[in-house]
Amino acid sequence: AQSVTQLDSHVSVSEGTPVLLRCNYSSSYSPSLFWYVQHPNKGLQLLLKYTSAATLVKGINGFEAEFKKSETSFHLTKPSAHMSDAAEYFCVVIGNNDMRFGAGTRLTVKP
Amino acid sequence: DTAVSQTPKYLVTQMGNDKSIKCEQNLGHDTMYWYKQDSKKFLKIMFSYNNKELIINETVPNRFSPKSPDKAHLNLHINSLELGDSAVYFCASSRPGPHYEQYFGPGTRLTVT
Repeated sequence: AQSVTQLDSHVSVSEGTPVLLRCNYSSSYSPSLFWYVQHPNKGLQLLLKYTSAATLVKGINGFEAEFKKSETSFHLTKPSAHMSDAAEYFCVVIGNNDMRFGAGTRLTVKP
Repeated sequence: DTAVSQTPKYLVTQMGNDKSIKCEQNLGHDTMYWYKQDSKKFLKIMFSYNNKELIINETVPNRFSPKSPDKAHLNLHINSLELGDSAVYFCASSRPGPHYEQYFGPGTRLTVT
């Protein structure tokens, strides 16, 4: 069995400041981990994924995430937030073909 | 070109009706999915399907049924609609297996009155 927990339902940052969206997972397997972004009234789009290669993964739009097995975490970061980053973010864990979505974190970016 | 398309974008209907949502992908993918997103943005996978295997989330009522006329299409049929079916439904596709990136459609907002 596996699960994923996004620790914050809502994160608010000012434009130009760093972004941190937290994700913890639990899996009995060697999981693959993904971050997806959903802009208002849109479908989900892949930001980045970890599939047992480098633990620091770089994605689109300046986002990156680090897989930390000892902490069972896969937090998403960005050095400097942009207004266009305002969206809903989902962490996903996949193991043994079982896929679990986190509950989502809504990111608000203030001018 | 739209990679994954869904029709209609909005669907308003009354309880007890039967409705369908269509999904098409032009990516040549083998696997397609249906998701339900509730008003709190919580996403639940309903089905995954390739040309060999249908995997059903056991919590999905049997009023919901996916139908695939060909590899590029996976339509969602819903019988005897209920108020609780109101949600946004997303179709997605990927290469075989969930470890690959999924490409999502724009969603269909279903409102049952």
